[in-house]
Amino acid sequence: GENVEQHPSTLSVQEGDSAVIKCTYSDSASNYFPWYKQELGKGPQLIIDIRSNVGEKKDQRIAVTLNKTAKHFSLHITETQPEDSAVYFCAAKANEKLTFGTGTRLTIIP
Amino acid sequence: AAGVIQSPRHLIKEKRETATLKCYPIPRHDTVYWYQQGPGQDPQFLISFYEKMQSDKGSIPDRFSAQQFSDYHSELNMSSLELGDSALYFCASSLGAGFGRALSYEQYFGPGTRLTVT
Repeated sequence: GENVEQHPSTLSVQEGDSAVIKCTYSDSASNYFPWYKQELGKGPQLIIDIRSNVGEKKDQRIAVTLNKTAKHFSLHITETQPEDSAVYFCAAKANEKLTFGTGTRLTIIP
Repeated sequence: AAGVIQSPRHLIKEKRETATLKCYPIPRHDTVYWYQQGPGQDPQFLISFYEKMQSDKGSIPDRFSAQQFSDYHSELNMSSLELGDSALYFCASSLGAGFGRALSYEQYFGPGTRLTVT
């Protein structure tokens, strides 16, 4: 089955700086890669996603890149703000289910 | 916008008891997924339904069963509860492929049910 690895597990950045989270996947059949933000006590919130026929996607301060050959994808957050502090999960979809990475706890330092 | 609704939000049960978790998908969504998230862990896929039929199955114990009803809401039934079943249970919904409509991959999660087994 699919295996998704995510790095780093924790990340602290100064407010205003950029944050980058990286994931790799194993199943070449995976064709959809969402990123979720989870705040304490809440459900995962879809923040951006990318399909396998696209290399990059941007939505305001958030961007995602995908390298299908290398089987890795990354989340980039620019001009970070305190409200960006949360746990971020990458995921890969093959068939119906999502396989999640192990999460990155992002802390924005004011 | 309407979101996924889960009930109850919190549930405390004793070992060997049964529990039923309910999920109401976003209006017009016809696909539901169940995930289990242990403390400090990532969500693990349990099972999914599309148009009331099971569409995929993950690491769901035999003690658990689920179904989707004609109004697309879903219930996860858990029997012979064990201490290790204590976790957050999330339901997600999406819009499956239909006549004139492409498959939508986006899964939107509910707020979860926190199950504590004592």
